Order: sequence, then C-alpha cells, then structure tokens
Amino acid sequence: GAVVSQHPSRVICKSGTSVKIECRSLDFQATTMFWYRQFPKQSLMLMATSNEGSKATYEQGVEKDKFLINHASLTLSTLTVTSAHPEDSSFYICSARQSGGTGELFFGEGSRLTVL
Amino acid sequence: EDQVTQSPEALRLQEGESSSLNCSYTVSGLRGLFWYRQDPGKGPEFLFTLYSAGEEKEKERLKATLTKKESFLHITAPKPEDSATYLCAFVPNSGYALNFGKGTSLLVTP
Repeated sequence: GAVVSQHPSRVICKSGTSVKIECRSLDFQATTMFWYRQFPKQSLMLMATSNEGSKATYEQGVEKDKFLINHASLTLSTLTVTSAHPEDSSFYICSARQSGGTGELFFGEGSRLTVL
Repeated sequence: EDQVTQSPEALRLQEGESSSLNCSYTVSGLRGLFWYRQDPGKGPEFLFTLYSAGEEKEKERLKATLTKKESFLHITAPKPEDSATYLCAFVPNSGYALNFGKGTSLLVTP
C-alpha cells in the first residue's frame, strides 16, 4: 500500500512552547490529508481536514488557532500545536487518501506528544 | 446520527480458537465500511473495504463480511501475532474522512 511518513515519532516539550509535526505522502500525491488525535485507550478522533493550497477545515470543538495546519504541497501537511499545555499531550496521527485510489486512507505511524 | 458500534470491547482467545468481531452501523448512504488493525503506538493499518451487503473479503486468517446492519471480522485459527486493536470505520455522506468506532482489543495467547 501507499506510504505515509510522520515526523517526529516522539516529542517532549515544555508547557507554552510550540511543536510542529510533519506528514508526508512518500509515493503518491494527496490533495487531502486528515489529522486525528488519539488519547490512551480511545479511538481516533478527527481533528481537521487539510486541503492542498487552501485553509483547513476543523471539526467542532477543535481550536484552529491552537492547532495550525498547513498543506503547502501535494505531499506535505504540517500540524503545529501552539503554546502547548499538558492537556494537549496525545498521539497525533495523519492520514492521506491516494488521488484516484479506491477510497482507503493510509495512515502515518503517529507522533506521541508529551507536554511537561 | 451516523455511527458505528463495535463489540466486544476486548476479546481474549487461545491460539487456534476462531471467533468474530462485530461492527454494527447506522449510516445513511454508506460509502464504504472499513476495517483497520492498530498495534500499540502505531498508526492504523488498512485491512478491508466493503461497499455492499453480501460482500466478503479475505486476507490470510481474516475475513470481513457485510450485511445491511453490521459487519463481521472473522478470525480463523488466530496466532499471537494477530493481537491488536481492530477498528471499523465509515465515511459519512457529509465528508471525506473516516469516522472510527472505539475498536475491539484482541489478545491471542499461545
């Protein structure tokens, strides 16, 4: 299947700092990427839909000024957690659907954010 | 409200003991019912997509089936390496992203 790469896989930061997570589709172009968040023993919750060249669409309850999403190219989307706080500690996972593919989403390996 | 409900929440099997995981759904205009496997600390791995009632798909020890109200993931003669959380998901009419159920945590013991 198609490969989606996330970086970093783990990050620890101090409260109040900003953290950027990158999501790349390695062998296909993705006009749309999706960002999910997963708390321990919970399922994946959609945070936002990232569209190349336009503003992201955020799910209800997700602060767009806190979780900045940029999708500047067909293979790269970034999520920046601004002024992170301990409650933002979570597992962040990106995904992408192959343009012209059969509909399944391919997921990155996830990024574990710990805010001290 | 469109949703999927997975059961059981957790399942423990002996190696070789076949069983089924359930995903019941209430989705208007289903555009695909998806099954993923997730290992701890990893992103989900795609398994199957089912589009219409009566459809079945197989991959090694796994077989997914779909009816008008639910989907089953049958695991035949499981091995310890099949231990993982199995997630079912759907695409709502109003969007393009997958909406996930809470998953079934499967543990297969030797």
